Amino acid sequence: GDSVTQMEGPVTLSEEAFLTINCTYTATGYPSLFWYVQYPGEGLQLLLKATKADDKGSNKGFEATYRKETTSFHLEKGSVQVSDSAVYFCALTNYGGSQGNLIFGKGTKLSVKP
Amino acid sequence: ETGVTQTPRHLVMGMTNKKSLKCEQHLGHNAMYWYKQSAKKPLELMFVYNFKEQTENNSVPSRFSPECPNSSHLFLHLHTLQPEDSALYLCASSQANRDEQFFGPGTRLTVL
Repeated sequence: GDSVTQMEGPVTLSEEAFLTINCTYTATGYPSLFWYVQYPGEGLQLLLKATKADDKGSNKGFEATYRKETTSFHLEKGSVQVSDSAVYFCALTNYGGSQGNLIFGKGTKLSVKP
Repeated sequence: ETGVTQTPRHLVMGMTNKKSLKCEQHLGHNAMYWYKQSAKKPLELMFVYNFKEQTENNSVPSRFSPECPNSSHLFLHLHTLQPEDSALYLCASSQANRDEQFFGPGTRLTVL
């Protein structure tokens, strides 16, 4: 079945450091890909998404590019802030396979130190 | 504020209690979801409702009973839970057959 694998955390960075969180997926057909973020004590919020190959999703300085050849959707940010500390989830939905339900990775906890 | 609210935010219950979680969405969506988030497992989809009809039950034990009286409200009725059911329960909504889901803040459930 469809699945998402993302790098294990926690990830600890200093403020203004470069961030990469790796995400790869397994899916039939052409899934849509997402990054969700969960701040402490809150539910999940959509951070960005991409719906077809080579699309780049971006929001709040974060970016991720849908790479079909490597089945990847890595999250990047050039300069992280303390306020970016949260848990990040990679996810996919695939109407061709999983009937449109979101399939999540395990999440990667990011801590940014001042 | 995502337009999806959940009450209560925190709940402590004994194994013999009966309680209900409530979710309400103000986005005009017609699909609603329950997820379970625990420390040891990834986010688990529990139930899906499309146009008030349950379309998915992900092998959830019968001690969890969902109810969707209309497209704006979703309940999760709980009875005779186990301590391992302690988790964050998240509600989400979307337009049916559309990609993006909007999540509520969750109910933190502790079963003693």
